Amino acid sequence: GAVVSQHPSWVICKSGTSVKIECRSLDFQATTMFWYRQFPKQSLMLMATSNEGSKATYEQGVEKDKFLINHASLTLSTLTVTSAHPEDSSFYICSAQGGTGFYEQYFGPGTRLTVT
Amino acid sequence: GDSVTQMEGPVTLSEEAFLTINCTYTATGYPSLFWYVQYPGEGLQLLLKATKADDKGSNKGFEATYRKETTSFHLEKGSVQVSDSAVYFCALSVIQGAQKLVFGQGTRLTINP
Repeated sequence: GAVVSQHPSWVICKSGTSVKIECRSLDFQATTMFWYRQFPKQSLMLMATSNEGSKATYEQGVEKDKFLINHASLTLSTLTVTSAHPEDSSFYICSAQGGTGFYEQYFGPGTRLTVT
Repeated sequence: GDSVTQMEGPVTLSEEAFLTINCTYTATGYPSLFWYVQYPGEGLQLLLKATKADDKGSNKGFEATYRKETTSFHLEKGSVQVSDSAVYFCALSVIQGAQKLVFGQGTRLTINP
């Protein structure tokens, strides 16, 4: 149980286009979902936290107009990278938990975005 | 702010060797501490956790003890296997409405037969 999927697993796009990444909890309802970004050989950096039906809370330094997060249902959250540029190339990872407070986070396998 | 520092990798060991991956943290308050493991092509999985000082988390032969006096949570295993090859992340959690995780940079472990 507690499986989180991401789609696509990798994507290549041209500079200036937008890319949508989906994160789904397959066998549980995710009250809260998190989006992380991971640079090569570096740690995961939390980008934003989203609760179903409400606006995402972004970490300091993350452009909310560039990284649009939608958590429309208890099993789906999407991250849209708008007007992507090469510096947005990274590994994006989502996680989901079934409640607020101290609940285990379950991680998706990640999506590698390359912007050319 | 809160942060986690873990030993740089990559770490390469022979099968049945003893493993230690160091992790130290800086945090306000009393965080919970975690070790996550990421196998190739898979998402991070919780390996073990400890929620208060002197707690020992253990799983699959791995252990880590929450040391408040040294602000450390070192991961150990007495005899590693090839199947332990993965990237290991130390993390702490700060609960601010939702459980926010702060990760170390990860340590890649390779076990040779």
